[in-house]
Amino acid sequence: SQTIHQWPATLVQPVGSPLSLECTVEGTSNPNLYWYRQAAGRGLQLLFYSVGIGQISSEVPQNLSASRPQDRQFILSSKKLLLSDSGFYLCAETGPGNTIYFGEGSWLTVV
Amino acid sequence: LAKTTQPISMDSYEGQEVNITCSHNNIATNDYITWYQQFPSQGPRFIIQGYKTKVTNEVASLFIPADRKSSTLSLPRVSLSDTAVYYCLVGRYGNNRLAFGKGNQVVVIP
Repeated sequence: SQTIHQWPATLVQPVGSPLSLECTVEGTSNPNLYWYRQAAGRGLQLLFYSVGIGQISSEVPQNLSASRPQDRQFILSSKKLLLSDSGFYLCAETGPGNTIYFGEGSWLTVV
Repeated sequence: LAKTTQPISMDSYEGQEVNITCSHNNIATNDYITWYQQFPSQGPRFIIQGYKTKVTNEVASLFIPADRKSSTLSLPRVSLSDTAVYYCLVGRYGNNRLAFGKGNQVVVIP
């Protein structure tokens, strides 16, 4: 089964500050990894996905970036946060049958 | 990834069967239909997956008509704890771009 670790769980950051959210997964090698964001009361927005080390596909132009320095590590970053970056960030990976498994999420509040 | 359309929200009474629909008119031959459930402050979790006709597991049934342009997730005898957002995804195995729609907020009323 897939195990996904995300940290930090909760983060309060001022506007203009940097961001780093980290995700690590256990289990199969070379997993497909994803970052999603969910604003309060809204649906899930796909931000980035990665099919391998150093391979990042961006879905939405924004001030966020993603990196995959290791096979089971996926990092979401920003150099300068905006108020609109607030939300619930979820890391995920795909398992058998292309089903998606999610981590516990990271709550980001930009103030 | 085929586009999906779901009602925004629906209410149901505790103990009733709930049927949640999803439209996917441009589903491709190799696409599967997968449903997820999301509780507040949690990531979605897999409920059921199917290709055609009917699939049943311990928590739900999935009905897919012959043309596969829609699907219905059926939850038997819902309880208050089934209040959640339900998403349907349509895509083929190996599709890397897994984007969710807006989902259907189901509220179970006592």
